[in-house]
This record gives sequence, C-alpha cells and structure tokens, in this order.
Amino acid sequence: GENVEQHPSTLSVQEGDSAVIKCTYSDSASNYFPWYKQELGKGPQLIIDIRSNVGEKKDQRIAVTLNKTAKHFSLHITETQPEDSAVYFCAPGRGSTLGRLYFGRGTQLTVWP
Amino acid sequence: DAGVIQSPRHEVTEMGQEVTLRCKPISGHNSLFWYRQTMMRGLELLIYFNNNVPIDDSGMPEDRFSAKMPNASFSTLKIQPSEPRDSAVYFCASSPRGWSRGGSSYEQYFGPGTRLTVT
Repeated sequence: GENVEQHPSTLSVQEGDSAVIKCTYSDSASNYFPWYKQELGKGPQLIIDIRSNVGEKKDQRIAVTLNKTAKHFSLHITETQPEDSAVYFCAPGRGSTLGRLYFGRGTQLTVWP
Repeated sequence: DAGVIQSPRHEVTEMGQEVTLRCKPISGHNSLFWYRQTMMRGLELLIYFNNNVPIDDSGMPEDRFSAKMPNASFSTLKIQPSEPRDSAVYFCASSPRGWSRGGSSYEQYFGPGTRLTVT
C-alpha cells in the first residue's frame, strides 16, 4: 500500500499570510494528488487536485505543486482568511476506476484575524 | 442533487447491540466508500465498492463489521456486536470515477457522517 505523511500536523498563521502544507508518499505508481478540506462537523471536501503529468495547478488563492521525482506535493494557500481554518488532508492514489485514495493524518490550520 | 445522504446522523447504543448505518450515494456515481474517523487513527478506509461489487475490504477491522450494497442507490455498514472502541464518525463517500466531460474524475463526495457512540 501507500505510506503517506503530512507536515506539519498543526499550523497557525496570521490573516493575510501564506500557508504551506507538504505531503510525502511512497508509491511511485501514484498519479493522482488531491487535497481535501474538512470543516468542523462536516465530511472532507475536495479543494484542488493535480495529475502526474502536471507540475503545478492554481485556483484563485490555492495552488498545488508536485515533485514526482522526490515523491511529494504541497498545498499553498495565499492571503489566508479566517474561513480557511479547517483540517486539510492530502490523499494520493492511482487514478483508475478500481483504485483508492490514501488519506494522510491531516493538518489543522488556524488563521488568526 | 442532495449529495450523499447518511442516516442516522447520531447513534448512541449499548455495548453488544447491533448497529446499522445507511448511505445513499449520489445518483450516477459508480463507486462507494466507507470510512471511519477517530482522533487516534485518523481517516481509515474500511471498504469500497465499484458497480455494487466489493473491491477491497481489507480495512474492515474484524468480523463484527460487514457491508453490503444491494443496488446502486443504497449501502449499509453493520456492526454486530458493537463495542465501545467502535465509537467514531463513520463517513460514506461516492465517486463518479472514470472519464467524463472535461476529463477524468476521481473526486470523492463525502456525506455528513454518522457519529456513533457505544457505551
């Protein structure tokens, strides 16, 4: 299976600052790299994903970068806002009709106003 | 679309009782996943189905746990007998999986979860 590690486990930033969360994985066959956000009392929700043939993807204030050689990918959030406070999970896997995702342990992000 | 529907939202039961959790996936999705979330173990995949067929149940903790998907619009996760260590939030997720307009989609859509407390 896949061995997934996320760092840091907790992250506190001031509103307006940037936040970066890193995810390392072990399965070189993984080709799909999503990030999920979980707000209190809710299920995780996809916020951005990237495939192995792309090095970076941006969507407004969030971006994901991939280093497939080193087997890690990162979530970048710029101009953080209090509503960004949540738990963030990386979940690498093989994008296929029968594959599964391997969720990391999560990063608790707190944005202070 | 109403999204993934789970019931009940909260369940409190006594040790030894049978517990049945229910899930209705998003219409048209062909994959369904059951997860368990605790502080100690994080988000664990218990079992997943593709086209109503179980693909991998290696995450099911023990024989007390069983899951079924009798049709494309309904799945159950049963614990019999329940134990205090089963207390957790159980999530169901569905995914369209495979190619669709705009490219492939492997996004998993999570339900609101069932908070199970076994006393």
